Amino acid sequence: DQQVKQNSPSLSVQEGRISILNCDYTNSMFDYFLWYKKYPAEGPTFLISISSIKDKNEDGRFTVFLNKSAKHLSLHIVPSQPGDSAVYFCAASAVETGGSEKLVFGKGTKLTVNP
Amino acid sequence: DADVTQTPRNRITKTGKRIMLECSQTKGHDRMYWYRQDPGLGLRLIYYSFDVKDINKGEISDGYSVSRQAQAKFSLSLESAIPNQTALYFCATSDWDLRGETQYFGPGTRLLVL
Repeated sequence: DQQVKQNSPSLSVQEGRISILNCDYTNSMFDYFLWYKKYPAEGPTFLISISSIKDKNEDGRFTVFLNKSAKHLSLHIVPSQPGDSAVYFCAASAVETGGSEKLVFGKGTKLTVNP
Repeated sequence: DADVTQTPRNRITKTGKRIMLECSQTKGHDRMYWYRQDPGLGLRLIYYSFDVKDINKGEISDGYSVSRQAQAKFSLSLESAIPNQTALYFCATSDWDLRGETQYFGPGTRLLVL
């Protein structure tokens, strides 16, 4: 049973436009969410995160929105650039003292930004 | 220098062979992980270790074993490799603070089992 779902395996957008990547989760215990970006032949790298006490976190061109009632989060990239072309993974964990939880990853969405 | 390194970066082996993938980190993190990535399946957790004396099975541990030789080293072994273990393998480390957990990944090992 997949607890973190990225239902779009791929997304293609034009340079300069907005890219919106979506992620849904089923476990209501998750209260910390991250996005990772992965280029070919490299390991995933941390991009941006959000905790459940917030509904928005912004870092430059990247903004993550969290809708707890819908168990949905999204990553917005504005404006999109060709260098943003990569696979984006959504991940979720529960924040517990002592850290018994691990990150659960979605399957990833491949973003292609066309010049 | 990379904080998380994996060796080898690429490996071709035959069915039935035993192989070991190694991971080293200089981040000083206690937590280390092994994942595999398959097309369309994302990252799946094989084993994880919260410290040198703590080893735990992940989602897909069958056919794999691990060894945490030191805080900085976490090795993944395939005792008898089979073709469906052909995948991209990632090691990761993490730190944990009040915000939660962020993982730092190695560059990956591409394994082909013939």
